[in-house]
Formats: sequence, C-alpha cells, structure tokens
Amino acid sequence: DIQMTQSPASLSASLGETVTIECRASEDIYNGLAWYQQKPGKSPQLLIYNANSLHTGVPSRFSGSGSGTQYSLKINSLQSEDVASYFCQQYYDYPTFGGGTKLELK
Amino acid sequence: QVNLLQSRAALVKPGASVKLSCKASGYTFTDYYIHWVKQSHGKSLEWIGYINPNSGYTNYNEKFKSKATLTVDKSTNTAYMELSRLTSEDSATYYCTRVGDEDWFAYWGQGTLVTVSS
Repeated sequence: DIQMTQSPASLSASLGETVTIECRASEDIYNGLAWYQQKPGKSPQLLIYNANSLHTGVPSRFSGSGSGTQYSLKINSLQSEDVASYFCQQYYDYPTFGGGTKLELK
Repeated sequence: QVNLLQSRAALVKPGASVKLSCKASGYTFTDYYIHWVKQSHGKSLEWIGYINPNSGYTNYNEKFKSKATLTVDKSTNTAYMELSRLTSEDSATYYCTRVGDEDWFAYWGQGTLVTVSS
C-alpha cells in the first residue's frame, strides 16, 4: 500500500492568513492526488483533484501543487468558513488517505 | 444532481452483523463503481472496497476482506455493505462514495454511524 503522511496534524491561523498543508507519499503517485475538506458532522467534500485541478464550485483561494511524492494544499486569505479538517488521498494505487489536518482559527 | 442517500445510524451488539444501504440517484447507477470508506471517530479515512453495480464484481482492501461484503440491487439503485462479527473496533462512520470523471471521490453519502455496544 502507498502510505500518505500529512502534516501538520493541527494548525491554528488568523483570518486573512495563508496556510499550507503538506502531504508526502511513500512512492511516486504521478499527480494522482486529491484534497478534501470535512466540517464537523459532515461528509468529506472534494476540493482538488489531479494534484492541482480545482473542483467545480470550490473558491479560487484554494490551490494544490506538487509532483512525485510531495504535494501541498494552500489556502489564501483564510476565511472563517475554512475551519475544517483537510485530508489528502492518493488514487494512483488502491486509495489511501493522509492522517488529516485540523485547521482552527487563532 | 448526483445524490447518495445512506441508511440511518445503527446500534448493534458485539458479535452481530449489520447491513448498511446507499441509494443512488441523479445518474445511471450501473455506470460508476460505488466505494465504501470507514472513518473512526475523529480519525482519518480508510478505503474498504468497491463494487461494480453492473457486474457485481468487488474489490476489497485486504484489511476488510473478512469484515465487509458489498452487494447491489440494480432494481432499486441501491448498494449495500454488510459488516460481520462486529467488535468495538468497527464503531465508526461509514460512507459510500462515487468517483467523478476519474478516480477521485467526487460524491459522498451523508454517512452512517455504526455503534457497537452491548
């Protein structure tokens, strides 16, 4: 199985700040990576696919980048509605997820 | 619009089985695999497996091969997952999900909370 290591596990940031979440794969996943946002009591929602493609309806302050084994999710100008947990997932092989990042407001 | 409607929360006794449902609408049911994902409380996500609704072919995460059984009823556009020999480790929220144009999970059910307790 491909292991996904996500960091940090938790993050505290101020409104308007830029935050970055990292995800490292145990082997090359050739951009087969998605990012999801999950709010408490809700199901995960797709943000980014193919490492850097924005899903329909997702605000442009979200962006994804990376290649090979290293990927990141950036949120520009943090808004209150961005408080959530974020997960990366590779689909190059059988799906595996990162451990998640809990984003809170400072 | 694509919708995946899952069954209600379940409270089950240790050693028992439970069958969860996922009713699909808004698309042709047999055109896309249905996947199932486990989320233990406050933790990350684990892929359980998928079923091809057209053929009934299944593919499981090795970890769940003896725990989960995936089936479908094409007449009602419903996918099912049966979990057997339940223990406290099986207490979790279970999601059904469908891929988008390729292999990312674009559509999710609302989740079913399974609590295993005597």
